[in-house]
Amino acid sequence: GAGVSQSPSNKVTEKGKDVELRCDPISGHTALYWYRQSLGQGLEFLIYFQGNSAPDKSGLPSDRFSAERTGGSVSTLTIQRTQQEDSAVYLCASSLSWGSNEQFFGPGTRLTVL
Amino acid sequence: EDKVVQSPLSLVVHEGDTVTLNCSYEVTNFRSLLWYKQEKKAPTFLFMLTSSGIEKKSGRLSSILDKKELFSILNITATQTGDSAIYLCATFGDYKLSFGAGTTVTVRA
Repeated sequence: GAGVSQSPSNKVTEKGKDVELRCDPISGHTALYWYRQSLGQGLEFLIYFQGNSAPDKSGLPSDRFSAERTGGSVSTLTIQRTQQEDSAVYLCASSLSWGSNEQFFGPGTRLTVL
Repeated sequence: EDKVVQSPLSLVVHEGDTVTLNCSYEVTNFRSLLWYKQEKKAPTFLFMLTSSGIEKKSGRLSSILDKKELFSILNITATQTGDSAIYLCATFGDYKLSFGAGTTVTVRA
């Protein structure tokens, strides 16, 4: 595609529910990254994929968070039993390969947990 | 743990002023340092720096890296109101990109 797309753009959910966030990277980009940005905070790295594998999952905030990528393309970030502190903007980015020059960011998903 | 510290946290300038943003870092297996501009949701890429002492320029923006002293600066000359944004510094280390908290730049007409 022309750019990184994410869906939904906004998600409001109740505490305790599960949510799934989707990222479509730029076609041909093998590396995909998830970040979150809480209100007034900097960007927090969550996880990255090279192809379908994630070499380092230590950035995920808790075991309620999981991510997968299939077919080297679309990735989903799943948050189980959401908590209010999960409210943030979740950003996805892709790059041609791990460590390549530039990461292209998607527009983000604003998650609000009531 | 990798650490990226930006200063100042915020600044207000008038159109035409020059601003200098600072970024210091402690990173395991440093690969590169990147600068981004964030106006609304998604950051947009400005520069990637891997070598010390080589200035990168793009219009009124320029940046340089000092790998000995572990810092980088981003300069914006002849600032315009459209330069108002959060400027993020990030470093690539082992498997991860670590961001600083950002510097909020406000340019007043």
